[in-house]
Amino acid sequence: QKEVEQDPGPLSVPEGAIVSLNCTYSNSAFQYFMWYRQYSRKGPELLMYTYSSGNKEDGRFTAQVDKSSKYISLFIRDSQPSDSATYLCAMSEGGSYIPTFGRGTSLIVHP
Amino acid sequence: NAGVTQTPKFQVLKTGQSMTLQCAQDMNHEYMSWYRQDPGMGLRLIHYSVGAGITDQGEVPNGYNVSRSTTEDFPLRLLSAAPSQTSVYFCASTEGAEGANVLTFGAGSRLTVL
Repeated sequence: QKEVEQDPGPLSVPEGAIVSLNCTYSNSAFQYFMWYRQYSRKGPELLMYTYSSGNKEDGRFTAQVDKSSKYISLFIRDSQPSDSATYLCAMSEGGSYIPTFGRGTSLIVHP
Repeated sequence: NAGVTQTPKFQVLKTGQSMTLQCAQDMNHEYMSWYRQDPGMGLRLIHYSVGAGITDQGEVPNGYNVSRSTTEDFPLRLLSAAPSQTSVYFCASTEGAEGANVLTFGAGSRLTVL
């Protein structure tokens, strides 16, 4: 079993829908939780990161961490076709240079 | 500010050939790394470096060599290419400061080995 589990999808939703992307993990030492977005044929780029438990909001995006359940989520409100991409979760222990990535979830938002 | 630059973007090799994928960053980042990305497998760490002159193996190092003679450059060498090395390769770097070490990725190098 991988340290970080992420459903690869694809997840297909209509424009305007609320999207929920999730990852589970097994390493209780993870302290930093990140979401990267990767458009087709491009490199991943950081979308959001959070430290420890709680929520963080940035525009239409909300990242949520539940350390007690070892579960993290990314919510996208009012999804747009431009949100169509692969979303990778990543986690790391404090001070570690090496994050552990999920396999990524492919999201398709159709008009 | 170019960030992380990878060359070439595309390459086709024959089995047994060798080549070097180049990676350069202009952010004075201490940590650099190479990943490969295959369908259904996610990002897998090949090699990484925490500073000039220091390299270490990641999850899938076999068939690849690296060196880090300067802070800016971190080339990845394929010694004798095999079809199993057909993949998209990403170089990434991070500052290495306290807190979340967020990676900055290059645009990728798409390699096909025939």
